[in-house]
Amino acid sequence: DAGVIQSPRHEVTEMGQEVTLRCKPISGHNSLFWYRQTMMRGLELLIYFNNNVPIDDSGMPEDRFSAKMPNASFSTLKIQPSEPRDSAVYFCASSSPTLAGGGLAKNIQYFGAGTRLSVL
Amino acid sequence: SQQGEEDPQALSIQEGENATMNCSYKTSINNLQWYRQNSGRGLVHLILIRSNEREKHSGRLRVTLDTSKKSSSLLITASRAADTASYFCATDGGGNQFYFGTGTSLTVIP
Repeated sequence: DAGVIQSPRHEVTEMGQEVTLRCKPISGHNSLFWYRQTMMRGLELLIYFNNNVPIDDSGMPEDRFSAKMPNASFSTLKIQPSEPRDSAVYFCASSSPTLAGGGLAKNIQYFGAGTRLSVL
Repeated sequence: SQQGEEDPQALSIQEGENATMNCSYKTSINNLQWYRQNSGRGLVHLILIRSNEREKHSGRLRVTLDTSKKSSSLLITASRAADTASYFCATDGGGNQFYFGTGTSLTVIP
C-alpha cells in the first residue's frame, strides 16, 4: 500500500477563496482523521470519521470548515471562505481498530505527508 | 484540553548521548503512543505502551509509563544525527481518536 495520500502538498491562495484538501486513506482502514498543525497551537484534531461517518467534529474551528467522506477511500476538508489565520499544515491520518492486511497494526495512526496551506 | 504536554520543548545533545523526553497527560488512558516527525513530514508511529504496562523497549527506544502520575518518558539511547526530529506523545480519547502533545524538538549534533 502507498500509505495515506494527501493532495495537494502545497496550496497558496488568497483570502476569501475556497480551499479543498484531499485525502486517500490506507485501504482497509475504517477510521480517518483530519489534523491541523501550527507553531502556536501544535497538532489539533479537527474531525474524525468511523466507517465514513463523522464521529467527532468538535475540533472544527468554525462553520467555514467542513469535511466529507463520501466513501471509504476518499475524504475532503474544505475551507470557505479562507482566511490568513487558516494558514497551517493540514494532516490526514487513518487507522484501523482491528488488524489490517499487510502487517499494519491496529489503533496506530498512519499519517499522510500533509498539505501546507498559505492564505495570503 | 485533553492534549498532553511534552517536556522539554526543545533538547539539544551531542551524538552518542542519551535523550530523554517526558509527557504528562490529564485523563485516564487505555494506551499511550509516541510518534516522531521529521521536518516537513507527517508523523510516524514509534511505540505503543498499554496502561497496564510500566516499561517497553524497541531497539534504542525505551518508554516508561506511570499512570498514577499520568506521565510517560521516552528515552533514546546512543543518539544519532538522524534522530533529529520532533517527538510527540499521544493519548487515546476513549474512541478511536488520539490527542497529541505539543512535542519535543530534538537536535542531535554530530
